[in-house]
Amino acid sequence: GDSVTQMEGPVTLSEEAFLTINCTYTATGYPSLFWYVQYPGEGLQLLLKATKADDKGSNKGFEATYRKETTSFHLEKGSVQVSDSAVYFCARADRGSTLGRLYFGRGTQLTVWP
Amino acid sequence: DAGVTQSPTHLIKTRGQQVTLRCSPKSGHDTVSWYQQALGQGPQFIFQYYEEEERQRGNFPDRFSGHQFPNYSSELNVNALLLGDSALYLCASSFRVSSGGGGLAKNIQYFGAGTRLSVL
Repeated sequence: GDSVTQMEGPVTLSEEAFLTINCTYTATGYPSLFWYVQYPGEGLQLLLKATKADDKGSNKGFEATYRKETTSFHLEKGSVQVSDSAVYFCARADRGSTLGRLYFGRGTQLTVWP
Repeated sequence: DAGVTQSPTHLIKTRGQQVTLRCSPKSGHDTVSWYQQALGQGPQFIFQYYEEEERQRGNFPDRFSGHQFPNYSSELNVNALLLGDSALYLCASSFRVSSGGGGLAKNIQYFGAGTRLSVL
């Protein structure tokens, strides 16, 4: 089965709306978890990460909390901007490392309208 | 400080041909990973190189091979191209320090903009 599952897009929001993109994972143990963002024509940029259970990663107004009980790492932002329009990928690493293989979800396209 | 650079940016090949993609890691990085991103999909891990050796490999056939040079740059080679090999190929670099702690810039993989390969 899929290692990382994210909610399907596309997601379309108005500026200043609240954003949630769901992500769940399957793994043995507690792997490090990541959110990457991909702007049009560019590579992946790390948005935030969490390396152990109950950690909260945050960056640029985005947050995600590592929930071991629900094996989830949902991405949230309180007020989105047009510049947040991009594809967002949830990913997990192999247990015990942040530098080895990454397993990505299929990505969620976000479009924010002014 | 240059980030991860990949060349070429775009490439068109025909079935059965061979292709070589190149990656220069971020300054100070010694580990390179390659990913294949098909249209509308998330990246899939191909392999990782460290100290000029393949250290991990994903579920890709032997047609996919690689190399890492003493300056840490890397090549991805694909033989006998298939239509299904059309994708964005991403290179990621990192530095093998011990994990744990640190800010956002540490212990992470940095990605290049990718090479778009089209197989006709």
